Amino acid sequence: DQQVKQNSPSLSVQEGRISILNCDYTNSMFDYFLWYKKYPAEGPTFLISISSIKDKNEDGRFTVFLNKSAKHLSLHIVPSQPGDSAVYFCAASLPSGNTGKLIFGQGTTLQVKP
Amino acid sequence: KAGVTQTPRYLIKTRGQQVTLSCSPISGHRSVSWYQQTPGQGLQFLFEYFSETQRNKGNFPGRFSGRQFSNSRSEMNVSTLELGDSALYLCASSRGGGQPQHFGDGTRLSIL
Repeated sequence: DQQVKQNSPSLSVQEGRISILNCDYTNSMFDYFLWYKKYPAEGPTFLISISSIKDKNEDGRFTVFLNKSAKHLSLHIVPSQPGDSAVYFCAASLPSGNTGKLIFGQGTTLQVKP
Repeated sequence: KAGVTQTPRYLIKTRGQQVTLSCSPISGHRSVSWYQQTPGQGLQFLFEYFSETQRNKGNFPGRFSGRQFSNSRSEMNVSTLELGDSALYLCASSRGGGQPQHFGDGTRLSIL
């Protein structure tokens, strides 16, 4: 039972354009969501997070949107840069006492072409 | 600022052996979580330690165990290794209380 799903294994965009990565979840009890970026031979790097009480969080070029009714979140990268090429994971956690347990999606490989 | 440090980076073992992996969290972080990453299953949660106590556990057999020391450093042990244990093992630390986890670069374990 995969509770967090990233249905697009890969995405290719042109440099300077917007990248939109999507994530769906099934457990309505999740209350904290995160996005990580992973380069080969490195651990995941935290990008941005959002609490379930919000529907948008912004940090520089990265914006995460949360639609609780649709159980869907997305990561927008504007403008996309070649250095953004990596695997992106969304993750979710349950309320207090369970925040150390992240449930990850399968990842989406983003390629940003110069 | 020093990040999460995992040692060793690479390890080769044979079936039936046991292995211990080490994780030093970011200074001030009391929560340490361990994950297994494989091509087929993705990133899966193993367990979490907070203030030397296991707070959460994933769906892994009892061959996988861990502990946390008073300085928040953590170790993970896998006994009676199987071929399917070949994976990247990642450690992550956080302050707890809903703060994001920060990952180390992992230990790549290969079982022959």
